[in-house]
Amino acid sequence: DIQMTQSPSSLSASVGDRVTITCQASEDISSYLNWYQKKPGKAPKLLIYGASNLETGVPSRFSGSGSGTDFTFTITSLQPEDIATYYCQQYDNLYTFGQGTKLEIK
Amino acid sequence: QIQLVESGGGVVQPGRSLRLSCAASGITFSSHGMHWVRQAPGKGLEWVSVMWYDGNTKYYADSVKGRFTISRDNSKNTLYLQMNSLRPEDTAVYYCASSGGNAFDIWGQGTMVTVSS
Repeated sequence: DIQMTQSPSSLSASVGDRVTITCQASEDISSYLNWYQKKPGKAPKLLIYGASNLETGVPSRFSGSGSGTDFTFTITSLQPEDIATYYCQQYDNLYTFGQGTKLEIK
Repeated sequence: QIQLVESGGGVVQPGRSLRLSCAASGITFSSHGMHWVRQAPGKGLEWVSVMWYDGNTKYYADSVKGRFTISRDNSKNTLYLQMNSLRPEDTAVYYCASSGGNAFDIWGQGTMVTVSS
């Protein structure tokens, strides 16, 4: 099974900050990685697919990069509505989510 | 309007069964792979199962293999999850999601399943 490890597990940042989350796969998954946003009581929302492709309608302050085993998710200018938990997900061999990164406003 | 609506959740005793449904509208249901994903209280997202658009190919997470069965009725635009031999650790919000390619781009609002005596 492919394991996905996100860091950090939680993060506190100020409005306007640049925020970066990393995701490491236990083996090479090429670019078979998605990123989701999850708010309490809401359904998850797809933000990035194929490691670096922005889903339609998602603000351009969100971006993703990486391939192989190491991936990065970035919010270039944090907004109050970005407070959520973010998950990476591999789809190279079935599907596995990372443990999540909880983002809070400082 | 594109929509997935889950139903069938509730409180059930350990060892009992429950069947979840996910009704789709606004999408060409028969062209989409369909998934179940769950989130236990205070925990992260866990992929549970997938059924490809053709209804023939299905996969399960090890945690539910042999106990849960995924199925779909393309004539009714509905996905199902039959959950047998339920355990307390199956307590979670269960989401259905459709995949365009391998990204879960449409999600339902979820249905809560509580396994408790």
